[in-house]
Amino acid sequence: SQQGEEDPQALSIQEGENATMNCSYKTSINNLQWYRQNSGRGLVHLILIRSNEREKHSGRLRVTLDTSKKSSSLLITASRAADTASYFCATGTGANNLFFGTGTRLTVIP
Amino acid sequence: KAGVTQTPRYLIKTRGQQVTLSCSPISGHRSVSWYQQTPGQGLQFLFEYFSETQRNKGNFPGRFSGRQFSNSRSEMNVSTLELGDSALYLCASSPTGGMGNTIYFGEGSWLTVV
Repeated sequence: SQQGEEDPQALSIQEGENATMNCSYKTSINNLQWYRQNSGRGLVHLILIRSNEREKHSGRLRVTLDTSKKSSSLLITASRAADTASYFCATGTGANNLFFGTGTRLTVIP
Repeated sequence: KAGVTQTPRYLIKTRGQQVTLSCSPISGHRSVSWYQQTPGQGLQFLFEYFSETQRNKGNFPGRFSGRQFSNSRSEMNVSTLELGDSALYLCASSPTGGMGNTIYFGEGSWLTVV
């Protein structure tokens, strides 16, 4: 079974709006990573946040982590049509063994 | 720096056949792992190799196997293919596979079993 669950499963917004996706996981983690996947393509790494970090920024991305609630959120600000993709959170304990969530399908309407 | 490279990108096989997929990690990365992605099961971990040794294995039958060469390149093999093996197979690499490593993925190999 998968470690994480993303919420919502699908999200549709207008270009320029912000998009927020949430991820919940079940066990203790060392870090959590967010990935983007365009249809039929590989996974693109977005951001890694360690268990002792609470917030991290990268360009238009902001990730938060609440280990007490076993949850993380990904915020994409000022969305663009090119942000249309599926977004996955993945938790890891090392050894490249990642457990992925079910993903959020984001559609940004131009 | 070149990314993770997977070959072939697309292939079609018949039930009962076997298939070998190849992965070249990012230069300097010694940990390579493989994942299977299907609509029904999502992304699932297959196995991970480091310095030619399998360190970790997911919950897949023995028909799924892999290996890693001294140059860190890796191959995975699926024998006696079943229709349910149709999936996107993703290879990922990281420097050591240790905690805190960013893990980078290739574009994947699309396998269709008919």
